[in-house]
Amino acid sequence: GDSVTQMEGPVTLSEEAFLTINCTYTATGYPSLFWYVQYPGEGLQLLLKATKADDKGSNKGFEATYRKETTSFHLEKGSVQVSDSAVYFCALGGAAGNKLTFGGGTRVLVKP
Amino acid sequence: NAGVTQTPKFQVLKTGQSMTLQCAQDMNHEYMSWYRQDPGMGLRLIHYSVGAGITDQGEVPNGYNVSRSTTEDFPLRLLSAAPSQTSVYFCASSYPAGNTIYFGEGSWLTVV
Repeated sequence: GDSVTQMEGPVTLSEEAFLTINCTYTATGYPSLFWYVQYPGEGLQLLLKATKADDKGSNKGFEATYRKETTSFHLEKGSVQVSDSAVYFCALGGAAGNKLTFGGGTRVLVKP
Repeated sequence: NAGVTQTPKFQVLKTGQSMTLQCAQDMNHEYMSWYRQDPGMGLRLIHYSVGAGITDQGEVPNGYNVSRSTTEDFPLRLLSAAPSQTSVYFCASSYPAGNTIYFGEGSWLTVV
């Protein structure tokens, strides 16, 4: 079945550092790929998405490129802020409606 | 625009008690689903619905029931609560496959 593997956290960074969170997937067919973010005490918010190979999703300075050849969707941000402290989830969506398969989440802590 | 609304936000249950988590959306979405979030395991799909009157099981359905009598509402029932059901529960909704999935703010459930 479908699965998503993302790097374990926590990831601790200083403000203005470069952030990378690795995500790889296993899926049949051609899934859409997503990054969701969960700020402390809140629900999940869609951060960015890509629906086909070589698509780049971007939002709030974050980027991720759908790499079919390496089955990856790594999340990057060039200069993080304290407000980026959150848990980040990589997910893939199959063809059947809103059934998402999530990775385990990566907690990111940005220190001033 | 309320989006996806979940109630209650926090609940403590005793083992063996039953309860219903409510979920309502005002976006006329066909697809609705319930996930549970456990530490290090991301979100796992409990049940989902592709439209009023239609429900199906997800990855971890045991101990939960759902119904979809209207497009707007998708309640999740715990029949006889167990400590293993201590978790954070998220309801989600979307239009058909490939579109953005909207999550509620979560319901924190503790079973003692």
